[in-house]
Amino acid sequence: EAGVAQSPRYKIIEKRQSVAFWCNPISGHATLYWYQQILGQGPKLLIQFQNNGVVDDSQLPKDRFSAERLKGVDSTLKIQPAKLEDSAVYLCASRSRRTGSMNTEAFFGQGTRLTVV
Amino acid sequence: AQSVTQLGSHVSVSEGALVLLRCNYSSSVPPYLFWYVQYPNQGLQLLLKYTSAATLVKGINGFEAEFKKSETSFHLTKPSAHMSDAAEYFCAVRGSGSSASKIIFGSGTRLSIRP
Repeated sequence: EAGVAQSPRYKIIEKRQSVAFWCNPISGHATLYWYQQILGQGPKLLIQFQNNGVVDDSQLPKDRFSAERLKGVDSTLKIQPAKLEDSAVYLCASRSRRTGSMNTEAFFGQGTRLTVV
Repeated sequence: AQSVTQLGSHVSVSEGALVLLRCNYSSSVPPYLFWYVQYPNQGLQLLLKYTSAATLVKGINGFEAEFKKSETSFHLTKPSAHMSDAAEYFCAVRGSGSSASKIIFGSGTRLSIRP
């Protein structure tokens, strides 16, 4: 089966500009995550969707970050306006809707590396 | 709430030596535990997972991990390191009580292999 697709792979923008990242999860996966990974750190969960509903967005800086998952499939993460400290890799991941021990893990895309200058 | 702590941000071993990467977890419910590996400019790839079926879990590339509830640990080991094992390794936890539980990652351990 096809993996999690993300685009673009790389993006360079100036501070105060806006940027959007796109994610297409594995077909049939109900749960979708967006993580922010700053260089040298572990991934930090920004937002989690279950189908098209938000389950957890407690660590999403809502004054500048927004995310949506229309129709419960693709998702878009937006930053407006960007700050220097937003430079990071943004990872999208998805997990199956099926319960049970076979479907506990998340599958990750290759990420989008954002540089804010 | 769930959390993980990875002891040692950088581990260096000689090729052929034992690899031991440490992870301790905290969870208010029985946890699912994971080890992921990340190569440069890549996403995260699952190495292995604990789902309560067996305490000793075998994964890909010769890695294994043992779940020890009494020590709240899930350390990753490999008997003999290979140059291709050089990467960043992340331990992660998810609560098993809800299908919507979030996955929380540790800060990572960079593994270097000396020739």
